[in-house]
Amino acid sequence: SQQGEEDPQALSIQEGENATMNCSYKTSINNLQWYRQNSGRGLVHLILIRSNEREKHSGRLRVTLDTSKKSSSLLITASRAADTASYFCVLNFGNEKLTFGTGTRLTIIP
Amino acid sequence: DGGITQSPKYLFRKEGQNVTLSCEQNLNHDAMYWYRQDPGQGLRLIYYSQIVNDFQKGDIAEGYSVSREKKESFPLTVTSAQKNPTAFYLCASSIRGVNQPQHFGDGTRLSIL
Repeated sequence: SQQGEEDPQALSIQEGENATMNCSYKTSINNLQWYRQNSGRGLVHLILIRSNEREKHSGRLRVTLDTSKKSSSLLITASRAADTASYFCVLNFGNEKLTFGTGTRLTIIP
Repeated sequence: DGGITQSPKYLFRKEGQNVTLSCEQNLNHDAMYWYRQDPGQGLRLIYYSQIVNDFQKGDIAEGYSVSREKKESFPLTVTSAQKNPTAFYLCASSIRGVNQPQHFGDGTRLSIL
């Protein structure tokens, strides 16, 4: 399968702690994207990182990409209850289609 | 505010019936996509369109049909040939190009009566 594999599948942390989610893949990519999905809603784009980039930040989010290890991580700092959602690692192989992983379900405990 | 509107939010289909899911966007995006999401799973691509009057099959197109007569609209028909249509259907749009994020609607949940 060409989809990314997220690890862990589920994660529960206390509010205020940092959350780290990882994604591994097998085939060279053009870019990697992270999306968030609240229960019963559509997906929201968080960050896009290109294959020649190593790290990107957006507010409390930090994404790293290691193409030699074919892996990426999403770090959410100072978590809030509103961060409770599923997070998807999404791969682009150089065409106009995206390949979605199965997601990490993050629960923030108040 | 610009965005993507999917309707209805919930839809029920009887055996042997075709149903159509609506997707409208006012983001002026050329590209539009339909995905299916099953419980605990990622999204799978059904159909996509890069330009008006043109569309391509995705990974799971069997039992589905689409049209793209207007830039803003990309309706999806779930035909009676789709034997397991119960799922959450998501529509997305984007600017054309490989390094573009996709913008999603809030989905339609389809169930079988």
